[in-house]
Amino acid sequence: GAVVSQHPSWVICKSGTSVKIECRSLDFQATTMFWYRQFPKQSLMLMATSNEGSKATYEQGVEKDKFLINHASLTLSTLTVTSAHPEDSSFYICSASYPGQGINGYTFGSGTRLTVV
Amino acid sequence: KQEVTQIPAALSVPEGENLVLNCSFTDSAIYNLQWFRQDPGKGLTSLLLIQSSQREQTSGRLNASLDKSSGRSTLYIAASQPGDSATYLCAVNTDKLIFGTGTRLQVFP
Repeated sequence: GAVVSQHPSWVICKSGTSVKIECRSLDFQATTMFWYRQFPKQSLMLMATSNEGSKATYEQGVEKDKFLINHASLTLSTLTVTSAHPEDSSFYICSASYPGQGINGYTFGSGTRLTVV
Repeated sequence: KQEVTQIPAALSVPEGENLVLNCSFTDSAIYNLQWFRQDPGKGLTSLLLIQSSQREQTSGRLNASLDKSSGRSTLYIAASQPGDSATYLCAVNTDKLIFGTGTRLQVFP
């Protein structure tokens, strides 16, 4: 149980175009999802918290107009990288909290490798 | 601001050894702490979740302890195997997950 599916697993796009990444909770409802990015050999950095039916909360230094987050249902959150540039190339991972023993734990998608050329 | 640090940053050992991975955090006001494994280019696999009221959790050859007051957690890996080679990440939950810097583990035959 508590599976999060993320698509695509990798994408290559031209500079200036937009890319959408989907994150779905398969067997549970996720009112809150989280988006992270990870540069090579570095840890995960939280970008934003996605709340179903309301605006996302962005971490300091993350451009909300560049990284558009939509959480229109209890099982789907999307991250759109707008006007992508080579410096946006990174590994993007989503996660959702799941009900478990005591306070919730977190489960993660398999990640999306974005390369902007 | 919560900061999470892991030591060592990298570890290379022969198989069969018992290992200790350390995680420290600066703010003890956490709900729980979670250990993850990440294989190269892949997502995260949850290994163990320790609630703030717990002292340790065990799963197979893995044992994680938590000392919330001192801001420390330790992941023990018994009888390491080459298949354990991966990056291990700890993360503290304070309404959102804050990740540590990671330990890159290589177990060679």
